[in-house]
Amino acid sequence: EDQVTQSPEALRLQEGESSSLNCSYTVSGLRGLFWYRQDPGKGPEFLFTLYSAGEEKEKERLKATLTKKESFLHITAPKPEDSATYLCAVLISNTGKLIFGQGTTLQVKP
Amino acid sequence: GAVVSQHPSRVICKSGTSVKIECRSLDFQATTMFWYRQFPKKSLMLMATSNEGSKATYEQGVEKDKFLINHASLTLSTLTVTSAHPEDSSFYICSAEGTSGGGTQYFGPGTRLLVL
Repeated sequence: EDQVTQSPEALRLQEGESSSLNCSYTVSGLRGLFWYRQDPGKGPEFLFTLYSAGEEKEKERLKATLTKKESFLHITAPKPEDSATYLCAVLISNTGKLIFGQGTTLQVKP
Repeated sequence: GAVVSQHPSRVICKSGTSVKIECRSLDFQATTMFWYRQFPKKSLMLMATSNEGSKATYEQGVEKDKFLINHASLTLSTLTVTSAHPEDSSFYICSAEGTSGGGTQYFGPGTRLLVL
């Protein structure tokens, strides 16, 4: 069974305190791995797509990396406006379906 | 680019009535759109895949006669919740697949449905 697991479930950081979010997956075939940001009461906002192990993408304070079993979203010197739920999703190659993890809710305190 | 809108953003209806939710890709054409449902503090669950000009494909456990999907054009898909009941209250989110071929889905802002 295709499965995507994110950890931790919740993370509290002080402003400027760097950390990483984990997304591990066990799937029949990976076509791509996606990171989204979701604010309360809103739809997910696209951040990154990663397609192969070793690939890295960066955007401002965020950096996403991918291995054959997991992906990390590194947050460098976070600010309060980075507070949100971060969702990881895997696009299954033989079904074309996006399987989501449960998300990590990040709170950055000033 | 890659903006998806949904209308309405919030709807309250009486039990037994039907509610239509629209999903539009504003600046790109989407042959494939998706409908998800999200419960509080839970992740997104795929309900159905909507392809322009053909019947939608529903996930196991989703009643196709209750959740009617119409993908009338390359920029519009609609979800109609028929004979809504309180247990249908939820956050419904649509997405549209981008044109790059990489499978990236761009999501709408969601529709909060409350059935009284």
